[in-house]
Amino acid sequence: SQQGEEDPQALSIQEGENATMNCSYKTSINNLQWYRQNSGRGLVHLILIRSNEREKHSGRLRVTLDTSKKSSSLLITASRAADTASYFCATPTMNYGGSQGNLIFGKGTKLSVKP
Amino acid sequence: DSGVTQTPKHLITATGQRVTLRCSPRSGDLSVYWYQQSLDQGLQFLIQYYNGEERAKGNILERFSAQQFPDLHSELNLSSLELGDSALYFCASSSPGRWIGELFFGEGSRLTVL
Repeated sequence: SQQGEEDPQALSIQEGENATMNCSYKTSINNLQWYRQNSGRGLVHLILIRSNEREKHSGRLRVTLDTSKKSSSLLITASRAADTASYFCATPTMNYGGSQGNLIFGKGTKLSVKP
Repeated sequence: DSGVTQTPKHLITATGQRVTLRCSPRSGDLSVYWYQQSLDQGLQFLIQYYNGEERAKGNILERFSAQQFPDLHSELNLSSLELGDSALYFCASSSPGRWIGELFFGEGSRLTVL
C-alpha cells in the first residue's frame, strides 16, 4: 500500500522556472526521503529530511517537512531540461521488534522541463 | 553508479516459465530489498532480507520467492509467469542501522512476459 502520495501527478514547466512537488503521508515517520527516476532507470536518492527538521537544502533542491500536517514539499529552483524525470517521496517502516524496515514509495510526480 | 548490480538487464520469456533475477548489493550493505515497478501499480515493495534472513514481506505473490546468500547477494525467483508479471524489478540495498536511511538502487531488470 502507498504511504506517500505525491501531488501533482504531472508537472510541465519551462526551463528556469521553479517546480514544486508535494507529498502527503499517513503514519508517524522517522524521516522522509525524495528520489528521482529518469525514464526506465534506477531510482536515485536526492535528499533525506528527519522528523525533527523543518527544512533542508541541497544545491537547487529545498525540502520542507510539516509533521503536524503529515506533508512534505520538494522545490527545484531554476529548473533545467535535465531535471526532467519522475520524483518520488518515500517514508520508512519499522519491522516488528524494532528492526530496520523498508521504504514505501508514492506514485510519483512526472516533471517535464521544456527548453 | 550506485554500487548495486542487477542482472539480467532485460529478459523476455513466455507465460508459465520461471526466471531468476540476481542482485549484488553495495559493499558493506547487509539489507537487500526487492521492488516491482509497473505502470498501473507503481513501485511496490516485495521483500526485504537482512544478512541472510527474511525481514519483511510486502506485496509478493506466492509464485515469487527470494533468498539472500552468505556472500549477501540475493536472487528473486519468479515462477508460473503471467502477462501481468511484466514489469521492472529493482533491487536496492542500505547500510545497517535502526532506521532505514538512503536506499541505493540498481538499474533494474526489465521482464517482459509474452
